[in-house]
Amino acid sequence: AQKITQTQPGMFVQEKEAVTLDCTYDTSDPSYGLFWYKQPSSGEMIFLIYQGSYDQQNATEGRYSLNFQKARKSANLVISASQLGDSAMYFCAMSADDNFGNEKLTFGTGTRLTIIP
Amino acid sequence: EAQVTQNPRYLITVTGKKLTVTCSQNMNHEYMSWYRQDPGLGLRQIYYSMNVEVTDKGDVPEGYKVSRKEKRNFPLILESPSPNQTSLYFCASSLVYGRGTEAFFGQGTRLTVV
Repeated sequence: AQKITQTQPGMFVQEKEAVTLDCTYDTSDPSYGLFWYKQPSSGEMIFLIYQGSYDQQNATEGRYSLNFQKARKSANLVISASQLGDSAMYFCAMSADDNFGNEKLTFGTGTRLTIIP
Repeated sequence: EAQVTQNPRYLITVTGKKLTVTCSQNMNHEYMSWYRQDPGLGLRQIYYSMNVEVTDKGDVPEGYKVSRKEKRNFPLILESPSPNQTSLYFCASSLVYGRGTEAFFGQGTRLTVV
């Protein structure tokens, strides 16, 4: 079965510091995709970054980068130079086939990030 | 503007009173799904649809129904809501299902069943 694990329920980080949000995953599908979404207090889900299982390079999008370590099955999100507006809930998600060959998007339980001025 | 629109945004209802949450996308996406978000549990998939007239159960389908008569619409139906269905609901769509296609989410519907 597919599983996404986010072990940090909450984090507090000083403004302008870099922050790493942890995500580990498990799937038997060799072809999968990993996503990070941001959910501010207003509730909407905002797509941040994507990494494919066969991508050789780590994905980057502005201040966001994904530290993809395939052998360790981890896909940590790194936010450089954090800003007050980064305070939000962050979800890691994986797209992969389940045991019945149906593609599913599975989410972790989220990490609530608070940036301290 | 490309978007997924859910209505209503907020809903308070009583146990047993049937309700429908609408979802519409204007991106011609084939794949649509419904999630519920509960504290400490993340987002869990309720139902999904790979195309018109094709729907399938997700991880937590009990107590919900869906239909996909048109490509753009994917309503979520609660025939007899119960308090344990109080949650934040999201509709999402993506172009097809492919590893690199991000899911676009609606604004969410906060449902309270008393």
